[in-house]
Amino acid sequence: DTGVSQNPRHKITKRGQNVTFRCDPISEHNRLYWYRQTLGQGPEFLTYFQNEAQLEKSRLLSDRFSAERPKGSFSTLEIQRTEQGDSAMYLCASSLSGAREKLFFGSGTQLSVL
Amino acid sequence: QQQVKQSPQSLIVQKGGISIINCAYENTAFDYFPWYQQFPGKGPALLIAIRPDVSEKKEGRFTISFNKSAKQFSLHIMDSQPGDSATYFCAASIIQGAQKLVFGQGTRLTINP
Repeated sequence: DTGVSQNPRHKITKRGQNVTFRCDPISEHNRLYWYRQTLGQGPEFLTYFQNEAQLEKSRLLSDRFSAERPKGSFSTLEIQRTEQGDSAMYLCASSLSGAREKLFFGSGTQLSVL
Repeated sequence: QQQVKQSPQSLIVQKGGISIINCAYENTAFDYFPWYQQFPGKGPALLIAIRPDVSEKKEGRFTISFNKSAKQFSLHIMDSQPGDSATYFCAASIIQGAQKLVFGQGTRLTINP
């Protein structure tokens, strides 16, 4: 499968714990995005990388959230001291930058904070 | 000003009928309007997209109609099939730079056989 891969698919954690998600983009794609989707809503932009550089972060991304993309390949999203309000689907998307940029989304990581 | 408003929230259409989903936006800087299809347990998948220099774009059974003056755009699914049953999201962004898509709230479409 050459699509965007996200792991784990599901994560259940207790409030206050730290969690980390991984995203493996389509190999030739230089941009990688993180979005969050809550039940019954559309995805919301969180942050994006061009190669290894994190170029923008949404105001939705509190200081408990950190994302990395070492060497411009896979990316990780870590949430520290999780809160119940962090429960959501975390979606990763990748793309090739340019005039006809198209985002390809992974199947997401569903986070439940108890 | 960043919002994209989508309606209806849910829609039931008979097989073979036309499904119509509408979206409205506020930010006149938006110049890229894609539609995404999402099945349960999957991420959104790009269906069709339009830029404001045209009023309509058709790909197979899917058509986007765009009204720049009204700041509205819609998705029409002709000859709707049970396999089209999914959640559809409209979105908008500024094409120059990164694709920081602003999504609508989604429409759950059910096609009855």
